[in-house]
Amino acid sequence: DTAVSQTPKYLVTQMGNDKSIKCEQNLGHDTMYWYKQDSKKFLKIMFSYNNKELIINETVPNRFSPKSPDKAHLNLHINSLELGDSAVYFCASSHGLAGGGETQYFGPGTRLLVL
Amino acid sequence: AQSVAQPEDQVNVAEGNPLTVKCTYSVSGNPYLFWYVQYPNRGLQFLLKYITGDNLVKGSYGFEAEFNKSQTSFHLKKPSALVSDSALYFCAVRDIRTGRRALTFGSGTRLQVQP
Repeated sequence: DTAVSQTPKYLVTQMGNDKSIKCEQNLGHDTMYWYKQDSKKFLKIMFSYNNKELIINETVPNRFSPKSPDKAHLNLHINSLELGDSAVYFCASSHGLAGGGETQYFGPGTRLLVL
Repeated sequence: AQSVAQPEDQVNVAEGNPLTVKCTYSVSGNPYLFWYVQYPNRGLQFLLKYITGDNLVKGSYGFEAEFNKSQTSFHLKKPSALVSDSALYFCAVRDIRTGRRALTFGSGTRLQVQP
């Protein structure tokens, strides 16, 4: 009954490869996010989708492409992986209420290591 | 632009003593403020949030936080620390005026509770 789940939990790969991370939420939320946590534990938003529509796209290299097949899923595809992509990637979800005070719930994270 | 500062990289406290983890914020409008906790190799867990109303907000695991508009602060507190509280704590803000749904996180404060 995990609320926000991510697969895989760990991902070790070579530079230049293409990889995907999947995220699913069973909370009935309509807004989902990808955050990146670097080696210094700093967290930064990458993307956000509301009802399958991209609403936030930070200054992320276009090697990163999110895809939302439905409201419950938000996947992250990364092309031509680079050493600097090594990080922990967190998926999160929330209700998309107009007030903005909704809580975001985070997945367990995917630890990506690029060799 | 919205920002959050957590001035202490680490806070050390003895078990049973009160603890405070500091957070100050900067937004152009009124803020929504959040505290999250991250245990080793885990995702972020929501602790509490300030939206409106009482300046003292109570959350999970006995934590509370006080919103101080004049000092633009939202410090996290607990009257009696437990060893199990040792973790990484993040303060986050969302600016109501911008309506931007992504959270802006502070750099995190590592809390170490000694037995």
